[in-house]
Amino acid sequence: GAVVSQHPSRVICKSGTSVKIECRSLDFQATTMFWYRQFPKQSLMLMATSNEGSKATYEQGVEKDKFLINHASLTLSTLTVTSAHPEDSSFYICSAPSGGAWGDTQYFGPGTRLTVL
Amino acid sequence: DQQVKQNSPSLSVQEGRISILNCDYTNSMFDYFLWYKKYPAEGPTFLISISSIKDKNEDGRFTVFLNKSAKHLSLHIVPSQPGDSAVYFCAASLYSGGGADGLTFGKGTHLIIQP
Repeated sequence: GAVVSQHPSRVICKSGTSVKIECRSLDFQATTMFWYRQFPKQSLMLMATSNEGSKATYEQGVEKDKFLINHASLTLSTLTVTSAHPEDSSFYICSAPSGGAWGDTQYFGPGTRLTVL
Repeated sequence: DQQVKQNSPSLSVQEGRISILNCDYTNSMFDYFLWYKKYPAEGPTFLISISSIKDKNEDGRFTVFLNKSAKHLSLHIVPSQPGDSAVYFCAASLYSGGGADGLTFGKGTHLIIQP
């Protein structure tokens, strides 16, 4: 299947700093990518849809000024957690759709574990 | 409001037997359903999907059944193998054929295959 990478896989930062997470589709182009967040023992929750060449769309309750998304090219989307706080500590996962037999199938990156001290 | 529900947090099955994971949904607009397998600290791995126009899709040891009237789908794994032990997520999409939508996930079922 299609391959999606994320970098970094793990980051620890101090409260108040900003952290950038990259999501890349390695062998296909993605005009749309998705960002999810997963808290311990919880489901994956969709945060936002990243659109190449246009603004991201955010799910209800997700602060767009805190979670900045830039879809710079057809293979790269970045999520920047600005002024991170301990409550932002979570597992962030991106996905990108790639054509499947009956429609788009989303392929997920390996995730980024963010810990804010 | 949990639109996709996996009511069994965990399931234990003996190796070689059939594993059946269940998923219910409430939004009748969902058009496309997927199952993912996930290990801790890793991203989900796609297993199998089904469109709402189908009631069954099979891929090797994995079969997904969809009952639209009951808003219920299930994943069958047979025979179950030790490597199948993982958390399985059911996901749904409002995919309309014009592009992909963000997925709505259930909370997952931890499948444990016992030797």
